[in-house]
Amino acid sequence: GQNIDQPTEMTATEGAIVQINCTYQTSGFNGLFWYQQHAGEAPTFLSYNVLDGLEEKGRFSSFLSRSKGYSYLLLKELQMKDSASYLCAVRPPSGGSYIPTFGRGTSLIVHP
Amino acid sequence: DAGVIQSPRHEVTEMGQEVTLRCKPISGHDYLFWYRQTMMRGLELLIYFNNNVPIDDSGMPEDRFSAKMPNASFSTLKIQPSEPRDSAVYFCASRDSGGFWNEQFFGPGTRLTVL
Repeated sequence: GQNIDQPTEMTATEGAIVQINCTYQTSGFNGLFWYQQHAGEAPTFLSYNVLDGLEEKGRFSSFLSRSKGYSYLLLKELQMKDSASYLCAVRPPSGGSYIPTFGRGTSLIVHP
Repeated sequence: DAGVIQSPRHEVTEMGQEVTLRCKPISGHDYLFWYRQTMMRGLELLIYFNNNVPIDDSGMPEDRFSAKMPNASFSTLKIQPSEPRDSAVYFCASRDSGGFWNEQFFGPGTRLTVL
């Protein structure tokens, strides 16, 4: 089975840095996704990690430690538009057709 | 491409009525997924298709729910009869089996309210 944990809600100030953590306990692992979902909208892809380490993409970075079952999404220079829910999703090994399991999401509120 | 298209965007119905949600996946994608999202349970996978064939429907909550994919460009999710606890946002997503990431592309969702 899959168990994915994320904080329910976080708040931060515009211009600051915030780190959203995700821990997982799964029967298999073949990569981890981060999705962003604005209120009333569909989730959209942010990043994918399959190897340990940090992947940087502009203001957003995603980190993975497979041995610890841990990932984080780092958002720098926060903007008001970054207020959204951030979903962590774990991809199983190929036997499961790579269908990811989603966490409950972390609601990030950015204050001016 | 217009992305994944869902209709209707909003649906309000009364308990006991039949509800049909529709989805058009991205052209060329061979996987299609139906998800339900609520505050309490988050994003749940209901069923997915590969090449129009249902592969795993273990997430379908009960027999009141059914899904079909008659061709590569259309799928429906039907609830009959609907109940207030079915109120949620229903997302359709599609993906291509090729590529390394197998990223899913989500539609805008259908917000269902059952009174």
